[in-house]
Amino acid sequence: LAKTTQPISMDSYEGQEVNITCSHNNIATNDYITWYQQFPSQGPRFIIQGYKTKVTNEVASLFIPADRKSSTLSLPRVSLSDTAVYYCLVTGRGAGSYQLTFGKGTKLSVIP
Amino acid sequence: EPEVTQTPSHQVTQMGQEVILRCVPISNHLYFYWYRQILGQKVEFLVSFYNNEISEKSEIFDDQFSVERPDGSNFTLKIRSTKLEDSAMYFCASSVPLGPGSLSTDTQYFGPGTRLTVL
Repeated sequence: LAKTTQPISMDSYEGQEVNITCSHNNIATNDYITWYQQFPSQGPRFIIQGYKTKVTNEVASLFIPADRKSSTLSLPRVSLSDTAVYYCLVTGRGAGSYQLTFGKGTKLSVIP
Repeated sequence: EPEVTQTPSHQVTQMGQEVILRCVPISNHLYFYWYRQILGQKVEFLVSFYNNEISEKSEIFDDQFSVERPDGSNFTLKIRSTKLEDSAMYFCASSVPLGPGSLSTDTQYFGPGTRLTVL
């Protein structure tokens, strides 16, 4: 699976929009981009997944350009409770193999 | 909303002892997984389980580890003889496999984890 690169950390003030960009230059045709969130001492939580263009749900938006070599997770109007580590993963659909490979993620700190 | 549950939340054991970590996956899920996260490090895949057998396992999952689905609801991870370096958070996850023609990959739902401390 393609390797992902994302910033180690980001700071943001409450109420601001936060964009976390992830690069995945070697993404394969069948791969999807998936983002997870992890609070301290908790399990990762699925946020959003996309293949191309834009995906939006009640939590976030995911922007994927046409070449799919990068993606941007957008969190609108963050609050203190959004302080967490955010992981960008490239997930394939290999039959019988659904192993998730986590990187170090981006530690987002929301400041009051 | 259905969720994955894990017990105990914290397990303390002596080196060399056996431990069993328990998980109850989401009821209609068919794939089950164990991951671990050593303090301050990445979440690492251990093993996946489907149709009562291991689908895939990582290098970490050596002969000291085993998994079992003893009944229709529980999924367990056993560490036969714990070592100091087994101290970590252990996460169980489950997912529903997607059929042919599905538009996206399966989503794995994680439990809250069991903190294992080996003394």
